[in-house]
This record gives sequence, structure tokens and C-alpha cells, in this order.
Amino acid sequence: DTEVTQTPKHLVMGMTNKKSLKCEQHMGHRAMYWYKQKAKKPPELMFVYSYEKLSINESVPSRFSPECPNSSLLNLHLHALQPEDSALYLCASSHPLRRTEAFFGQGTRLTVV
Amino acid sequence: ELKVEQNPLFLSMQEGKNYTIYCNYSTTSDRLYWYRQDPGKSLESLFVLLSNGAVKQEGRLMASLDTKARLSTLHITAAVHDLSATYFCAALGATNKLIFGTGTLLAVQP
Repeated sequence: DTEVTQTPKHLVMGMTNKKSLKCEQHMGHRAMYWYKQKAKKPPELMFVYSYEKLSINESVPSRFSPECPNSSLLNLHLHALQPEDSALYLCASSHPLRRTEAFFGQGTRLTVV
Repeated sequence: ELKVEQNPLFLSMQEGKNYTIYCNYSTTSDRLYWYRQDPGKSLESLFVLLSNGAVKQEGRLMASLDTKARLSTLHITAAVHDLSATYFCAALGATNKLIFGTGTLLAVQP
């Protein structure tokens, strides 16, 4: 099983809403990532969790709040977003020690209205 | 700080021709990845390169790594239309920081 599963696939939310993006993997990977990707741009790193601890926060605004409840799950809580936050949000996982591939989920297409 | 540069940004190729995409990274990296992305889709893993001189091939794509030059290449042989996509390289830095290159939009023309 080399799957990273993201839900939902599409999300439309108002600027006053609170929503969450979910990511799940069962490959035993202990590094998990959130990326934001705008059209025609490369994925931009937001957060990295290593062994369920937040190891990197790339100066992301506090309206994005990550959470890693266990080694298989990663959440991204969204609150008071702006229209410019509309993008494809990608989750990825890899193993920090085993030098293998890093796999990406199918992404959540987020539109903020 | 790890930075990854890729060129060219855009590549228009004729079917049957060969070409190479280049990926340079600024600091020591433990792993170098290549991904393919189709419009509106997520990233598909193509290769992971781990050591100096590593070469991997899958179909018409071949990737190589020179850690001394901090350079990876993705070579396309006898391009076909199905290879049209955006290709990204990504390097893994300290603390599991995975940084992407700018991407190369490949358009294969008949």
C-alpha cells in the first residue's frame, strides 16, 4: 500500500468558516508534510511533522493550524482564510530513515469565497 | 538554506526527439526526487536517487545524480505525446525539508 489519502477532494469555504483537511497513510512513514500549490507554480512547503512532532513551520499564517494526532494521520485546520489562500493543498509522507520515495496524496482543491 | 533550481522552465519538443531537464541544488541533500504532474492532478513519483552516480530508468525517462556537482538530470528519449506534463525535481535537506524546483512544463508536439 503506497497510498496517501486526502479528504475532501474539493472544498469551498467562506472567509468566516472553520474547516479541516485530513490526510492518512499506512506505510509506516514518520515524516508527513503539508504543501500549498498555486496554479503553474511548484508546491510550497508549509509544515513538516517528524515522529508526530512539528519540526518545520515555514512562517505560515496562524489561520492555518496543523495537527498530527498519531503516526498515520495529519490534519490541517483552517480558520478565517482569505481568497488568496485558494489553492491545491497537498499532503505527503516519507520515512526519515529509510531512503525511499516520498508519496503525495491526491490533494484538496480549496476555494475561499 | 536549501534551494533547488530547474531548467528549462518550458520545453516544447517534437515527437521522437531527445532532451534533458536539469536540476541544481544548493546544499548537501540526502535524496533527490523526480515527480510528474498532469494538469489539475497531484504529483506522481517517478524516481528517487540516493547516491552519487545513481542512474534510474523507466521507459523513455532516465534520471541521474551527481552529488559532487549537486546536479540531477532527467533525460527524455524519443519523446511521445503522453509525456506532456510538468516535471519537478525535489531535494531533501536537513530536518526532512523537501524543497521543490521551479518545474519544467514539457509539451510534446506531433
